[in-house]
Parts: sequence; structure tokens; C-alpha cells
Amino acid sequence: DIVMTQGALPNPVPSGESASITCQSSKSLLHSNGKTYLNWYLQRPGQSPQLLIYWMSTRASGVSDRFSGSGSGTDFTLKISSVEAEDVGVYYCQQFLEYPLTFGSGTKLEIK
Amino acid sequence: QIQLVQSGPELKKPGESVKISCKASGYTFTDYAMHWVKQVPGKGLKWMGWINTYTGKPTYADDFKGRFVFSLEASASTANLQISNLKNEDTANVFCARGVAGSSGFDYWGQGVMVTVSS
Repeated sequence: DIVMTQGALPNPVPSGESASITCQSSKSLLHSNGKTYLNWYLQRPGQSPQLLIYWMSTRASGVSDRFSGSGSGTDFTLKISSVEAEDVGVYYCQQFLEYPLTFGSGTKLEIK
Repeated sequence: QIQLVQSGPELKKPGESVKISCKASGYTFTDYAMHWVKQVPGKGLKWMGWINTYTGKPTYADDFKGRFVFSLEASASTANLQISNLKNEDTANVFCARGVAGSSGFDYWGQGVMVTVSS
């Protein structure tokens, strides 16, 4: 199975500052078609997860441009520019390259 | 608008069975896969598997083979998950999530069903 490892944030993050969340995969997620099968989700407290980024860097419909994804085949970063109160929650990376699909353990974002 | 509406919370005893439903609306049901995701309270997300809503073929993650069954009522745009011989460790919130073609993630999620197994 592909293991997804997420980094922690130096919480709480001051409102208006940027935050970067890291994720590392145990295998390259770069597909032969040129797409990297890495997704990011946000789960706000008490809610279902919400898709933020797919194919490593493509924002899902309706997602603020304050969220951006980048990376290589095995090392990925989700950047949130100018964090706001509504960004509070747990962020998960997920690989979609092969079964079983696997998630990172989550990174909690708190705002000061 | 697109919605996935799941059935209500369940309280069961060890050894019993439970069936959870996920009713889709706002899109053509058979055009998208349906995935199932488990979340133990306070913990992370674990993928359980998925069902091809066009063919009805299920695929299970290894930890969910044997007691777990994905099924469809395609005429009702509904996906179901049945868990038999429930164990305490099945206590979790279970989500259904729509899978987008091309492996681009789960773009819509149900609200989750809390399954509690306790004697």
C-alpha cells in the first residue's frame, strides 16, 4: 500500500498569515499520462470532507484561489495564503494512483 | 443541486447487522462511481472500497473483505453498505462519496452515518 505522511503545522497560525501543509508519498504518484494523482481535502469541524485540490495542483470547483497545490512525484505542498477563520479544520492528502486508495493522517489548522 | 443523503444513525449490538443507504440526486447516478470511507471518531479517513454504479461491480479494501457488502438500487439512485457480524471496532462515522472519472477525487460527500456498536 502507498503510505501518505503529512507534516504538522505550528499552530495556531495568525489570521492573515500563510500556511503550508506537507505530504509525502511512499511511491511516486506521477502517472504515465503526465497527471499526478494527489488530492487535498479539508474537513471542517463536524462536517464531511470537501475536495480542495485534485491532480496535485488543480483547484476544485468553487474553491478559493487562496488554496494552491504543488509538488513533485512524492513530495507535495498545500499552501493557504492569508488564512481565515473558515479555513479551520483538518487537511488530508490522498493518493488516487492505485488501490487501496490511502489518505494521510491529517494536519490540523488552528487560527489565532 | 447535487446531493448525497445518507440514512440515519445506528445503534447495534455486537453480532448484529446494519444496512446504510446513500441516495444520490442532481446527476445521472450511473455516470459516477460511489466510494465508502470510514472515520473512527477523532481519527482520520480510511477508504473502504467502491462500487461501479454502471455494472454493479464492487471493489473492497483488504480490511473490508468478508463482512462488508456494497450494493445498488440503481432505479432509486441509491448505494447501500451492509455490515454483518458487527464488532466494537466497526463503531465509526461512515461516508459515501462520489468518485470522479479520471481519478480526480471525491467531489461530493454524504453527511455521514454514525454506526455505534455496543453491548
